[in-house]
Amino acid sequence: GENVEQHPSTLSVQEGDSAVIKCTYSDSASNYFPWYKQELGKRPQLIIDIRSNVGEKKDQRIAVTLNKTAKHFSLHITETQPEDSAVYFCAALNAGRGSTLGRLYFGRGTQLTVWP
Amino acid sequence: DTAVSQTPKYLVTQMGNDKSIKCEQNLGHDTMYWYKQDSKKFLKIMFSYNNKELIINETVPNRFSPKSPDKAHLNLHINSLELGDSAVYFCASSQDRPLGNEAFFGQGTRLTVV
Repeated sequence: GENVEQHPSTLSVQEGDSAVIKCTYSDSASNYFPWYKQELGKRPQLIIDIRSNVGEKKDQRIAVTLNKTAKHFSLHITETQPEDSAVYFCAALNAGRGSTLGRLYFGRGTQLTVWP
Repeated sequence: DTAVSQTPKYLVTQMGNDKSIKCEQNLGHDTMYWYKQDSKKFLKIMFSYNNKELIINETVPNRFSPKSPDKAHLNLHINSLELGDSAVYFCASSQDRPLGNEAFFGQGTRLTVV
């Protein structure tokens, strides 16, 4: 199945700085790349996703970039705030039908801490 | 009107017992998952079902048996619980689409085996 590597495992930044989390994937057929945020004691929730037909997507302070040739994608958070502190997970999925159905594999997560 | 609900939220039990965790989604999704999250926060997929059919069984011990009576429910039964089963278990659902779609998670069940 798909193998998703995520780095770094922990990341500490000062409030107002930017944070970047990087992921690589192994299956060149993967075409859907979501990012989830999990606050302490809560469930993971989707914050942004990108599909293989675009290279970059932005939503206010967060952006995701995708390099299909290199098989890596990144999450960028600008002007970080203490409430951005959470565990962030990337995932890669071949969202086509058939044998790839239901194969949502996550990276190992990045604990982001934003210091005031 | 919770989208994905799982019960119980907390479960403390002794080694060797059998327990079940229930999951229901009211989103009309056709794919449901069980994930295990250990103390290092890794979200490891255990099972996925599509329209009540098993899609993935990721080398999970036979003591874990999922049951999907209909596509809105995916329950997890665990036999002969062991200390290493202590973790947070998340149920999730998504609507399978050619270009991918958001997975919604339940609140999680924190299982503690003593």
